[in-house]
Amino acid sequence: AQTVTQSQPEMSVQEAETVTLSCTYDTSESDYYLFWYKQPPSRQMILVIRQEAYKQQNATENRFSVNFQKAAKSFSLKISDSQLGDAAMYFCAYRRSGTYKYIFGTGTRLKVLA
Amino acid sequence: KAGVTQTPRYLIKTRGQQVTLSCSPISGHRSVSWYQQTPGQGLQFLFEYFSETQRNKGNFPGRFSGRQFSNSRSEMNVSTLELGDSALYLCASSLVLPGDYGYTFGSGTRLTVV
Repeated sequence: AQTVTQSQPEMSVQEAETVTLSCTYDTSESDYYLFWYKQPPSRQMILVIRQEAYKQQNATENRFSVNFQKAAKSFSLKISDSQLGDAAMYFCAYRRSGTYKYIFGTGTRLKVLA
Repeated sequence: KAGVTQTPRYLIKTRGQQVTLSCSPISGHRSVSWYQQTPGQGLQFLFEYFSETQRNKGNFPGRFSGRQFSNSRSEMNVSTLELGDSALYLCASSLVLPGDYGYTFGSGTRLTVV
């Protein structure tokens, strides 16, 4: 069975600094998608960034980028120039191609210090 | 355009009662999925509907059921509520195959069973 592991329950970063959130996953599949979602206190899960497993190039969305290491089954999220609004729970998620459900990690709470 | 709308936002029920939660997806989205979020178990997949058909179901007891209407709106029902059903229930919709571009989530319904 596929699993997603986020080993950092909580992280802190100074405003304007860079932070990296870790995610590892376990799968025997070769075709899948990976995602990072952000959940602020408003509770709504917001898609931050997505990565297709067959693409070698790491995805980037403005200040957010990933380091996708397929062989190591690692999918970390880097947040540059951290802002107060980045404070939230961050969830890593996996979806195998051809299926219809996501498998989520347990989340990392990110605190941004002014 | 309007996002995913979940009603009600908060709900308090007594053990043994039943409850119905509603989800209106983004206009044009035909896939709707439901997730249960608890501090202990994290985000767990409940089920997924596409064009009024349930395509996948998570590992939950039969007390959890759902349906989708012709306008893509979805409801989930929990019968004979137990204290352990207290959770945030999140609905998510997507335009094409779920996960290709990521879900759009609603803000959830917070269910408390007393």
